[in-house]
Amino acid sequence: QSVLTQPPSVSGAPGQRVTITCTGSGSNIGAGHDVHWYQQLPGTAPKLLIYRYSSRPSGVPARFSGSRSGTSASLVITGLQPEDEAVFYCQSYDDGLRRVFGGGTRLTVL
Amino acid sequence: EVELVESGGTVVQPGGSLRLSCVASGFPFDGFSMHWVRQAPGKGLEWVAHLTWDGDFASYADSVKGRFSISRDNSKNSLYLQMNSLRVEDTAFYYCVTDFEHSSSAFGDWGRGTLVTVSS
Repeated sequence: QSVLTQPPSVSGAPGQRVTITCTGSGSNIGAGHDVHWYQQLPGTAPKLLIYRYSSRPSGVPARFSGSRSGTSASLVITGLQPEDEAVFYCQSYDDGLRRVFGGGTRLTVL
Repeated sequence: EVELVESGGTVVQPGGSLRLSCVASGFPFDGFSMHWVRQAPGKGLEWVAHLTWDGDFASYADSVKGRFSISRDNSKNSLYLQMNSLRVEDTAFYYCVTDFEHSSSAFGDWGRGTLVTVSS
């Protein structure tokens, strides 16, 4: 059972927009801790995609964006491309000095 | 270019011990906090341990507290994870990970991981 809750899977056709949600609680997202997103392509290590809810590290396309609302965060991917197929994880900081992840969402590009 | 190379993963019996190593290059290792993050095969990510840049402060996930110990040698650009009293559920890929320079609660660069299998 993950501290942060994500849907197990989402899908979309090339060119479409998909949204992945990440729901936390008052001890993590609701406490004001930042949310970050990672993309894990098949057979590779995770890669930081979005930090502090909506900022992109250099090299990450603007098609990836993030936002926050209350105790939840969202990752939005627009203009879906076949190479976006991956597992996406949200991550935050939980009171008690620990970092926590969501269970991961598998994105399928139809 | 940042490079993190983990080693030490192998098959070990329940109750056994193992020490993982991570050699870092391409960035000022002694200026960054470091982490170990694990991933059981086919499962999600789990943060394991954190160590400040100077080695003075460590924190652990509840699942490994009292059994695992994180340490570093800045003179060797190396991070370690001493794993004792290993359990079957510790089976996972273990990644060596940096803090992200623009946000201390995010993970920046990741190694390729080393596989630890706990099995009799």
